[in-house]
Amino acid sequence: GNSVTQMEGPVTLSEEAFLTINCTYTATGYPSLFWYVQYPGEGLQLLLKATKADDKGSNKGFEATYRKETTSFHLEKGSVQVSDSAVYFCALSDLAGGFKTIFGAGTRLFVKA
Amino acid sequence: KAGVTQTPRYLIKTRGQQVTLSCSPISGHRSVSWYQQTPGQGLQFLFEYFSETQRNKGNFPGRFSGRQFSNSRSEMNVSTLELGDSALYLCASSSPGQGPDTQYFGPGTRLTVL
Repeated sequence: GNSVTQMEGPVTLSEEAFLTINCTYTATGYPSLFWYVQYPGEGLQLLLKATKADDKGSNKGFEATYRKETTSFHLEKGSVQVSDSAVYFCALSDLAGGFKTIFGAGTRLFVKA
Repeated sequence: KAGVTQTPRYLIKTRGQQVTLSCSPISGHRSVSWYQQTPGQGLQFLFEYFSETQRNKGNFPGRFSGRQFSNSRSEMNVSTLELGDSALYLCASSSPGQGPDTQYFGPGTRLTVL
């Protein structure tokens, strides 16, 4: 079945540091891949997505590239801010998975001023 | 457009009781999914409804059930509550279509079972 594995947290960085959160997936079909972010006390919100191999999703300075050959979708940001402190979830969805989205365990990011 | 709304936001129940949570999707969205979020298990898929039909169900006991109304609003019900049911229950809606769509989440209902 489909699954998503992402790096364990928490990740603690200083402001303006480079961020990478690793995500790999297993899927039987051709999934769409997503990164969602959850700020304290809120629901999840879409950060970016990619629907086919070699697509790059980007938003608010975050980027992730759909790598079919390595089944990965790593999240990167060149310079993090304190306001980026949140939990980040990698996810996939495809028709073969039966209309449900599979989420990774989430990675908590702390950014220090 | 208004976002996904969930009511109530917080709920305290005791073991053995039952509870009903409500979710109103974004206008025009016909797919509604429910998730349980706990520190230990993360986000786990409960079920997904599209046009009043359950299309998929996660690995939860039969105490967890749901339904969707003709206006796309959805409810989930948990009967005979257990301490382990304490969690944040998230509802998400997505735009019409047959493919994997972006999900728009509500703020969640925090359920505490005492």
